[in-house]
Amino acid sequence: NAGVTQTPKFRVLKTGQSMTLLCAQDMNHEYMYWYRQDPGMGLRLIHYSVGEGTTAKGEVPDGYNVSRLKKQNFLLGLESAAPSQTSVYFCASTPGRADIQYFGAGTRLSVL
Amino acid sequence: KQEVTQIPAALSVPEGENLVLNCSFTDSAIYNLQWFRQDPGKGLTSLLLIQSSQREQTSGRLNASLDKSSGRSTLYIAASQPGDSATYLCAPVPPYNTDKLIFGTGTRLQVFP
Repeated sequence: NAGVTQTPKFRVLKTGQSMTLLCAQDMNHEYMYWYRQDPGMGLRLIHYSVGEGTTAKGEVPDGYNVSRLKKQNFLLGLESAAPSQTSVYFCASTPGRADIQYFGAGTRLSVL
Repeated sequence: KQEVTQIPAALSVPEGENLVLNCSFTDSAIYNLQWFRQDPGKGLTSLLLIQSSQREQTSGRLNASLDKSSGRSTLYIAASQPGDSATYLCAPVPPYNTDKLIFGTGTRLQVFP
């Protein structure tokens, strides 16, 4: 049982490049989340999904897009990366509203 | 807007001590609250979830208390061990949007032998 798996683990981009971060969970959870973690800022919610085919904006959604075409996968896209998007990105899932959240190991992204 | 503060920001103690980590939130109307642990370079692991109707929740050497009226939660760690060294975060869930957690910035704990 892998839990929540994030790929890739590390990535370096140049300003203006695009990329997609993949989150996969094998627990049949309905809810999935994307956070970013920056020093002194704590975890901030980017986007989330309450079920297959749904997405919603979190606290800091600008510059990111998401898709949840399959229940087990939640994709985070950066269309035109900026240095301000240098961060550690975490995906999480939970079986229901306000339930225990299970986190992936994170993706460390640097934008030069 | 809910704001979450954790004090102290960092703590270094010898092993064996009983510890108190504090979490304060500005809006006392919460749905529930989770405590997480984060090891360096790793993701978060949920330790305890305490419902708004509960006063405390226990798991092994960990005990979380909740005082909604004063906007506080406390995580007690009994008989600390070097393996407890990590960052501890609290995250209340607001009742107006139970889809989201609001995270504090954490307490970085180091327990030395």
